[in-house]
Amino acid sequence: KAGVTQTPRYLIKTRGQQVTLSCSPISGHRSVSWYQQTPGQGLQFLFEYFSETQRNKGNFPGRFSGRQFSNSRSEMNVSTLELGDSALYLCASSPSPGANVLTFGAGSRLTVL
Amino acid sequence: GIQVEQSPPDLILQEGANSTLRCNFSDSVNNLQWFHQNPWGQLINLFYIPSGTKQNGRLSATTVATERYSLLYISSSQTTDSGVYFCAVGSGNTPLVFGKGTRLSVIA
Repeated sequence: KAGVTQTPRYLIKTRGQQVTLSCSPISGHRSVSWYQQTPGQGLQFLFEYFSETQRNKGNFPGRFSGRQFSNSRSEMNVSTLELGDSALYLCASSPSPGANVLTFGAGSRLTVL
Repeated sequence: GIQVEQSPPDLILQEGANSTLRCNFSDSVNNLQWFHQNPWGQLINLFYIPSGTKQNGRLSATTVATERYSLLYISSSQTTDSGVYFCAVGSGNTPLVFGKGTRLSVIA
């Protein structure tokens, strides 16, 4: 079966713009988590969604938002981009929240100029 | 929140050598996973191992939950094993917390 699909894979934006990233989970998986990876901070948790509800949110400013649709696909949005938002954004899916194996997508690499 | 420490931060091995990577965590967990991140950034799940021992080919892992550590063993390393190895832990329904990783370079 298909894995976790993230689009776009690469994108370049300028400061002040906004960006929307998409994540399609493995078929049948209803939980989607987002992580930001930077060289300085490592992998940091952004959000977790299950059944269209945000269950957990990491310590990020309000410029970072997300949502999940009825088909379990998820999007995250970053508004008013800053240089420090340049990162690899990783999405992972699992059948449900909690003690489950996470399967990650290939990531979306965002560069902010 | 839970703290995760991985050691060593960097490791260089000759092809064919064995290695042990360590993950210490600060609180009890019910979820522990090891991942390998390849040079293209893809995170691949290696083991789901909140306790006990598992083996998959040349890789094996052991988690001693009561002593709050996990070990990842790589035997007969190959150049394709290069990359960053992450340990991630969680408790209850909390999100996984990742360690800073061990960067492994296997040279021919």
